[in-house]
Amino acid sequence: NAGVTQTPKFRVLKTGQSMTLLCAQDMNHEYMYWYRQDPGMGLRLIHYSVGEGTTAKGEVPDGYNVSRLKKQNFLLGLESAAPSQTSVYFCASSPRGPIYGYTFGSGTRLTVV
Amino acid sequence: KQEVTQIPAALSVPEGENLVLNCSFTDSAIYNLQWFRQDPGKGLTSLLLIQSSQREQTSGRLNASLDKSSGRSTLYIAASQPGDSATYLCAVTTSGTYKYIFGTGTRLKVLA
Repeated sequence: NAGVTQTPKFRVLKTGQSMTLLCAQDMNHEYMYWYRQDPGMGLRLIHYSVGEGTTAKGEVPDGYNVSRLKKQNFLLGLESAAPSQTSVYFCASSPRGPIYGYTFGSGTRLTVV
Repeated sequence: KQEVTQIPAALSVPEGENLVLNCSFTDSAIYNLQWFRQDPGKGLTSLLLIQSSQREQTSGRLNASLDKSSGRSTLYIAASQPGDSATYLCAVTTSGTYKYIFGTGTRLKVLA
């Protein structure tokens, strides 16, 4: 039982490059989330999804796009990376919302130079 | 707007000591509160989930309490061990929302 898997684990991008982070869960969870974690600022919600084909903005959505074409996958895209997007990105999933608790992936450490 | 605060930001204790980590939140209309552990360079591991109707949850040497009316939760760790060294985060979800709001964490170091 893999739980929540994030790929890649590490990535270095040049300013202006694009990339996609993949989050996959095998627990048949409806809800999925993307957070970023920065020193001194805690985890902040970027985007989330309450089911296949749905997405919604969180607290810090600018510069990111997401897609949930399949229930098990939640993709986070950076169209034109900026140094301010250097962070650790975490994906989480939940059966049907936070009332059931979250399961987190192990994170992607992204550096934009 | 819900805000979550964890004090202290860092804590060092000798092995064997019982300790309490604090979490406070500004909006008492919560669905639940979850405590997580994060090891350096790793993801978050769920420790305890307390629903709004509950007062406490226990797992092994961990006990988490919830006082909604005062906007506070505590995580009690009994007989601390060096392996307990990590950052502990609390998160709350407020009624009517789909997301957790996280505190910035308490970095715990247990000295052998």
